[in-house]
Amino acid sequence: DGGITQSPKYLFRKEGQNVTLSCEQNLNHDAMYWYRQDPGQGLRLIYYSQIVNDFQKGDIAEGYSVSREKKESFPLTVTSAQKNPTAFYLCASRTSGRIVSGELFFGEGSRLTVL
Amino acid sequence: EDKVVQSPLSLVVHEGDTVTLNCSYEVTNFRSLLWYKQEKKAPTFLFMLTSSGIEKKSGRLSSILDKKELFSILNITATQTGDSAIYLCAANSNSGYALNFGKGTSLLVTP
Repeated sequence: DGGITQSPKYLFRKEGQNVTLSCEQNLNHDAMYWYRQDPGQGLRLIYYSQIVNDFQKGDIAEGYSVSREKKESFPLTVTSAQKNPTAFYLCASRTSGRIVSGELFFGEGSRLTVL
Repeated sequence: EDKVVQSPLSLVVHEGDTVTLNCSYEVTNFRSLLWYKQEKKAPTFLFMLTSSGIEKKSGRLSSILDKKELFSILNITATQTGDSAIYLCAANSNSGYALNFGKGTSLLVTP
């Protein structure tokens, strides 16, 4: 079945450690996105990528980094520079970043807790 | 700056009640408005609205867009406990490449 797979689902890390969250899609979508969700805050955009080897910062990119070496994969690294990394992270994709009317498809999310 | 505002932020109703969730938006070069339901993890798509005044319906859920007033509502009739979720509204623009989400409305339906 086509879809978006995020891993791990739950992750605990000590303060100061970098962590990488995986996002893989087999929907043949060009555009991929990372959102962060905090209670009462809705979804806030971290980074997005419209095509392989290209990505742009979203509204809250500080302390995060991404790569897009393959169409299927868009990993997110939460660095030690991110001051409040504990959150629920959602990866999403859609057909193309340029076809702006298309819906987003979401993964199941990764919950990161920094101790 | 583009923004999407949802109200109320939280709501508690009894089973069988009808609820209306609100979403207002200010988006440059607006293209479409989307509603999602999020129960525990991944938001699931409900509706996409592009034209004013045309109601979209799916079972007990319906939604409509007013492009003049920059507003959309999501109605749920005869609510059930399974409708308990966060409902997210998002706006799409012709010039942007990502959806702009509101903070969501947390709905709790009690038996």
